[in-house]
Amino acid sequence: GAGVSQSPSNKVTEKGKDVELRCDPISGHTALYWYRQSLGQGLEFLIYFQGNSAPDKSGLPSDRFSAERTGGSVSTLTIQRTQQEDSAVYLCASSDEGLSYNEQFFGPGTRLTVL
Amino acid sequence: AQSVSQHNHHVILSEAASLELGCNYSYGGTVNLFWYVQYPGQHLQLLLKYFSGDPLVKGIKGFEAEFIKSKFSFNLRKPSVQWSDTAEYFCAVNGGNTDKLIFGTGTRLQVFP
Repeated sequence: GAGVSQSPSNKVTEKGKDVELRCDPISGHTALYWYRQSLGQGLEFLIYFQGNSAPDKSGLPSDRFSAERTGGSVSTLTIQRTQQEDSAVYLCASSDEGLSYNEQFFGPGTRLTVL
Repeated sequence: AQSVSQHNHHVILSEAASLELGCNYSYGGTVNLFWYVQYPGQHLQLLLKYFSGDPLVKGIKGFEAEFIKSKFSFNLRKPSVQWSDTAEYFCAVNGGNTDKLIFGTGTRLQVFP
């Protein structure tokens, strides 16, 4: 079946602009996660959704970052007033039921470059 | 706070050599442990996981890992690597009340024919 999809695959933007990154999880998966992969920082957790609510937002680095999920499906990560340090690959993952030992299935990521 | 250490940043092996990648975590409670792999140009995918039961876990492609609670370790092993194992390997942990994965910094494995 279809895996996790993300769009766009690449995004180049100018410092100060807002960007939106989209994630389509595997159909039926109730849990959705956003991570960021950058040089020198490895893979960092950003936010977790169970259904449409976000019980854990602890990884969002600043109030410029926000995310929402609608219909228990698609999620959008928004970065306002982008900075060069926001350049990274943003990964989305989903899992069934959000049980901590369940496998998280990852998407291909969105490579964000802030000039 | 949970953390994961992968001490081998870059490993270079010849085909048929044995592999062991180190992973240590810090967390005092019950943990779930994972190894993910990212082949060049591909998504992260799960190699294997441990959450209970037999501490020796077998995964895909001949990989295995052993959970040693007293050492807070979950090392990944493969007796004989292949060129196709060239990839980046990430150890991850979650536990307690959280589902989020805490990842190590990754180990880049290069296997030469």
